Amino acid sequence: SDELTQPPSVSVSPGQTARITCSGDALPNQYSYWYQLKPGQAPVEVIHKDTERPSGIPERFSGSNSGTTVTLTISGVQAEDEADYYCQSTDSTNTYVLFGGGTKLTVL
Amino acid sequence: QVQLQESGPGLVKPSETLSLICSVSGDSIRSGYYWGWIRQPPGKGLEWIGSIFRSGTTYYNPSLKSRVTISVDTSKIQLSLKVNSLTAADTALYYCARTYSSVWPDGFDVWGRGTLVTVSS
Repeated sequence: SDELTQPPSVSVSPGQTARITCSGDALPNQYSYWYQLKPGQAPVEVIHKDTERPSGIPERFSGSNSGTTVTLTISGVQAEDEADYYCQSTDSTNTYVLFGGGTKLTVL
Repeated sequence: QVQLQESGPGLVKPSETLSLICSVSGDSIRSGYYWGWIRQPPGKGLEWIGSIFRSGTTYYNPSLKSRVTISVDTSKIQLSLKVNSLTAADTALYYCARTYSSVWPDGFDVWGRGTLVTVSS
């Protein structure tokens, strides 16, 4: 089915590595994107086309693609990384935008 | 630096039509990107509403297509969204955004801060 599934929450201590997954049947054939959402702020794209890091995004953010699962990895998590993270891709016809349900990252 | 600013009524009544505007600065609606609307109901996730290219080519979320119209006013450098037959389920923070390139589909590299719309009598 054309859905993207994310874990509702991930918790890590500062300095540790956070991994947020996004699963979907169409992912092997479509690009994925990741966004960081903080209250009162404009969303920020942190990963473009599976693995590319947009200008201005810290190197600790990285993306990977393993078939039906894509992963956002934040290495050396900082307190400022606490936010909601959403994956985006498209349906199997490559026409309609899909978002995952979002993952709340808590920095302990 | 491209900036997007959403504006709208804040509160609308059920069954009425919502009209939102996205004002673009630092870029032109005529530029080679897709422009779109995304919403987030309180406590829920992001939902793509639809997107439009400068040529008028549009893509809509199939679940909303019958109630939604997206258009661009190149002279005013504005993007607009209309949603009719509103219900409480349309209560959400509405964002406008620009895609990374002129190729569809693509990620959204610039977003506004969003405008909150409440549907209530």
